[in-house]
Amino acid sequence: QKEVEQDPGPLSVPEGAIVSLNCTYSNSAFQYFMWYRQYSRKGPELLMYTYSSGNKEDGRFTAQVDKSSKYISLFIRDSQPSDSATYLCAMLSGGSYIPTFGRGTSLIVHP
Amino acid sequence: DTGVSQNPRHKITKRGQNVTFRCDPISEHNRLYWYRQTLGQGPEFLTYFQNEAQLEKSRLLSDRFSAERPKGSFSTLEIQRTEQGDSAMYLCASTGLGLAGSSYEQYFGPGTRLTVT
Repeated sequence: QKEVEQDPGPLSVPEGAIVSLNCTYSNSAFQYFMWYRQYSRKGPELLMYTYSSGNKEDGRFTAQVDKSSKYISLFIRDSQPSDSATYLCAMLSGGSYIPTFGRGTSLIVHP
Repeated sequence: DTGVSQNPRHKITKRGQNVTFRCDPISEHNRLYWYRQTLGQGPEFLTYFQNEAQLEKSRLLSDRFSAERPKGSFSTLEIQRTEQGDSAMYLCASTGLGLAGSSYEQYFGPGTRLTVT
């Protein structure tokens, strides 16, 4: 079992839909939880990060962390075709300098 | 442009040849990371530097791979005697110096896509 599990998709939604992307993990030492967006043939870019449990909102994006369930989510409201990309979750324990990435979920938002 | 840059962007080589990639991090960033990414997978950690010191290497990293960051600025990743299984995107990322958890904010370059024929 991998430390971080993420459904590769693809997830196809119509424009304007609310998108839910999720990751589960097994390492209870993880404290930092990140979401990266990666367009085709580009490097990942950091979207959001959350420390420990709770919610964090930034514009159309909301990140949630449930440490008791070892489950994190990224919600995208009013999805746009420009949101079509691969979304990678990543996690970091407090004493580590090396994040662990999920395999990414491919999202397609069609007009 | 103040982002992370990588060169070349694409490299096609024949099996058995050596290749070298370069990464220029954001200038004020002290930590530099190399990752490998294959299709449908997330970035896989290879190695990282703090300034010029290579602090950790993945156990999965073959001894054909070597990385340097001689002056604590740019870094090179060399693959010797390339194999077809080395075909992947090689990503470089940098982050500033801080507590361990600050490594969450990694800035990635565009990657070097390696094809070994």
